[in-house]
Amino acid sequence: QVQLQESGPGLVKPSETLSLTCTVSGYSISSGYYWGWIRQPPRKGLEWIGNIYHSGSTYYNPSLKSRVTISVDTSKNQFSLKLSSVTAADTAVYYCASGTPPGAGTYFDYWGQGTLVTVSS
Amino acid sequence: SYELTQPPSVSVSPGQTASITCSGDKLGDKYACWYQRKPGQSPVLVIYQDTKRPSGIPERFSGSNSGNTATLTISGTQAMDEADYYCQAWDSSTVVFGGGAKLTVL
Repeated sequence: QVQLQESGPGLVKPSETLSLTCTVSGYSISSGYYWGWIRQPPRKGLEWIGNIYHSGSTYYNPSLKSRVTISVDTSKNQFSLKLSSVTAADTAVYYCASGTPPGAGTYFDYWGQGTLVTVSS
Repeated sequence: SYELTQPPSVSVSPGQTASITCSGDKLGDKYACWYQRKPGQSPVLVIYQDTKRPSGIPERFSGSNSGNTATLTISGTQAMDEADYYCQAWDSSTVVFGGGAKLTVL
């Protein structure tokens, strides 16, 4: 069974870059699947950030695209999120998840436990 | 951009049937899926590709999708089903989530 675990700083200063890593176990990233990041701000709903395939092809939320970079490291079986120029509005629980390819009714079937990132000085 | 609309809240009595809707333009032409999220827990996929249940999801959870509306139906609702439910679809190379509906089992 696929297991995912987010890691990274829980506190980021405004205007800086948020960086998170998702470590995958029980499955090789190189074998397929899309790998995604989703967040949930306090008292709000889920917001998709973006997906990456093991080949490196990416899909991003248009509203975040100018600030987001998602990358994959198959040697470590990890994928990462970088969100630049953060503000308090980026405070959220960040989840990594495994997803099916787009075009086939994409969905996320395995999720990490989530990590709270607070943007504050 | 594509939008999915859910009612903010739905109430149901134990043992009754709960229906949670998700509306979007020509949503029936796309695949919809549904997630359950309980406080302090990660989302759990309960329905994918409109009607399919992942392994381990009780049979009381079912889904449909036609026209502009996808519906998650919970038959014989139990107290443990109280949670937030989110619909999700794929449109124009983006993942779109509904705003979420809080299911209260009274």
